[in-house]
Amino acid sequence: GENVEQHPSTLSVQEGDSAVIKCTYSDSASNYFPWYKQELGKRPQLIIDIRSNVGEKKDQRIAVTLNKTAKHFSLHITETQPEDSAVYFCAASMDSSYKLIFGSGTRLLVRP
Amino acid sequence: DVKVTQSSRYLVKRTGEKVFLECVQDMDHENMFWYRQDPGLGLRLIYFSYDVKMKEKGDIPEGYSVSREKKERFSLILESASTNQTSMYLCASSLPPRQETQYFGPGTRLLVL
Repeated sequence: GENVEQHPSTLSVQEGDSAVIKCTYSDSASNYFPWYKQELGKRPQLIIDIRSNVGEKKDQRIAVTLNKTAKHFSLHITETQPEDSAVYFCAASMDSSYKLIFGSGTRLLVRP
Repeated sequence: DVKVTQSSRYLVKRTGEKVFLECVQDMDHENMFWYRQDPGLGLRLIYFSYDVKMKEKGDIPEGYSVSREKKERFSLILESASTNQTSMYLCASSLPPRQETQYFGPGTRLLVL
């Protein structure tokens, strides 16, 4: 079955710097890749997603890139702010499945 | 605004007890999911349901069962709780088709002694 690996497990950046979180997936049939953000004590919430017919998607300070050939996708956060501090999860799924396969999560700390 | 609620935020149970975790959503979503969240393991799918009375096993169904008698309600049952089921349990719901945003509940932190 599908397996999603996520790196790094923790990331500490200075406020204003950029942060990049990377995920790789194993099943080439996967074609939907969402990212969820979970603030401390809160529920996970979708922040951005990408489908395999596009290579990049942006929403203000966040962007996701997808390399289907290499089977990896990344989350980019620019001009980080303290409120970006959270755990970020990548996930993958395919048309034929209801299942989202999540990565292990990245704890991002933005230092003021 | 989608609302997914879970019956308890914190629960303490004894080994061998039968435990019910309940999830309710108010947006008429067909799909509902139960995950457990453990540090370093991400979110792992226990069971999901795509319609009333329909259920499918996820990746870690052992020791769990589910019930979906009404569209808005999805229950997770631990038939005989064990200490290795101590975890955070998250419910989620989504609209069809399959690849749509999942909306999560606040989670239930279960401690089995």
